[in-house]
Amino acid sequence: NAGVTQTPKFQVLKTGQSMTLQCAQDMNHEYMSWYRQDPGMGLRLIHYSVGAGITDQGEVPNGYNVSRSTTEDFPLRLLSAAPSQTSVYFCASSPPPGLNQPQHFGDGTRLSIL
Amino acid sequence: GDSVTQMEGPVTLSEEAFLTINCTYTATGYPSLFWYVQYPGEGLQLLLKATKADDKGSNKGFEATYRKETTSFHLEKGSVQVSDSAVYFCALKSRSNYQLIWGAGTKLIIKP
Repeated sequence: NAGVTQTPKFQVLKTGQSMTLQCAQDMNHEYMSWYRQDPGMGLRLIHYSVGAGITDQGEVPNGYNVSRSTTEDFPLRLLSAAPSQTSVYFCASSPPPGLNQPQHFGDGTRLSIL
Repeated sequence: GDSVTQMEGPVTLSEEAFLTINCTYTATGYPSLFWYVQYPGEGLQLLLKATKADDKGSNKGFEATYRKETTSFHLEKGSVQVSDSAVYFCALKSRSNYQLIWGAGTKLIIKP
């Protein structure tokens, strides 16, 4: 019963490097999203997708790209890492957005940019 | 816009104490309300939810009642355990776009 799987769990990058955070879910959820969690700020939405081929920006999209070629996968790309992107990143999924549908979260990726 | 305000932490209690974590919200219309819990090193898990006024969500001894008149959704537990130590997040889901709006989180520390 995998749920939402994020890889890697930890990553250290140098400023300017690029990388992709992976997210996969096996619940056939249409809705997926990426958040970053910073101390004292709760979760902030980076990008989200309401289905394969459809993505949209959240509250803090700058510096991040996403794509959704399949229902299962929703990778998050950092094109040129900056120290301000040091954070814990969470991927979440849910059935088609409805008021009563909770989100299912992965265990997070802790990313440090030096 | 919609927003959620939680009491600042950390909240430190002794085992078997009564817990209240305050949460108030601002929203257009009648959102759904959620409490999520994050244990150390893990992702967030849904703890309980309420979808309309006067609904009471409950799980694992925790309760929260959707109070429209005070726009609140306070989390309570009658007798906390060390294993309840975690960060608790209040959130609302807006009727306008179904996005989750998050509070900043409240860290709870329970001492034996």
